[in-house]
Amino acid sequence: DIQMTQSPSSLSASVGDRVTITCRASQSISSYLNWYQQKPGKAPKLLIYAASSLQSGVPSRFSGSGSGTDFTLTISSLQPEDFATYYCQQSYSTPRVTFGPGTKVDIK
Amino acid sequence: EVQLLESGGGLVQPGGSLRLSCAASGFTFSSYAMSWVRQAPGKGLEWVSAISGSGGSTYYADSVKGRFTISRDNSKNTLYLQMNSLRAEDTAVYYCAKDQRYSSSSDYYYGMDVWGQGTTVTVSS
Repeated sequence: DIQMTQSPSSLSASVGDRVTITCRASQSISSYLNWYQQKPGKAPKLLIYAASSLQSGVPSRFSGSGSGTDFTLTISSLQPEDFATYYCQQSYSTPRVTFGPGTKVDIK
Repeated sequence: EVQLLESGGGLVQPGGSLRLSCAASGFTFSSYAMSWVRQAPGKGLEWVSAISGSGGSTYYADSVKGRFTISRDNSKNTLYLQMNSLRAEDTAVYYCAKDQRYSSSSDYYYGMDVWGQGTTVTVSS
């Protein structure tokens, strides 16, 4: 099974900050990497697919990069509505996908 | 509007059974693979099971294999998850999700682009 790790597990940031979250796969997954945002009590929301493609309707302040085993999600200017938990997910072994443990972004 | 609506969650004793349903609307249901993903209280996301658009292929996480059965009725636009021999560790919010395929010049990529609101399953005596 492909294992996913994320760092940091949590971070505190201010509105307007640039935020970067890292995701690492236990083996090369090419660009088969998605990012999701989840707010408390809500379902996850797809932000980025194929490592760097922005899902329709997602603000352009979100961006993704990477390939192989190392990936990043960047929020260029953090907005109040961006405080949430972010999960990476590998789709290399679709449909047997695996998620990272999550990164919680809260207010400094 | 594309929508998924889960139902069927509840409190069940260890060893018991429950069937979850996920009603889909706003898209051609039979054209898409579907998945179940769960989230234990305070924990992360765990993929549980998936089914092809036709229903002919099914997939399970090792943690539920032999106990859970995924199925779909394309005439009713509904996805199901039959859960038997439930354990305390199955306690979670269960989400259904639509598997979207994205095409690039060289490959296909998949992401879960539509999710239901979730239904809560609690396994406890």
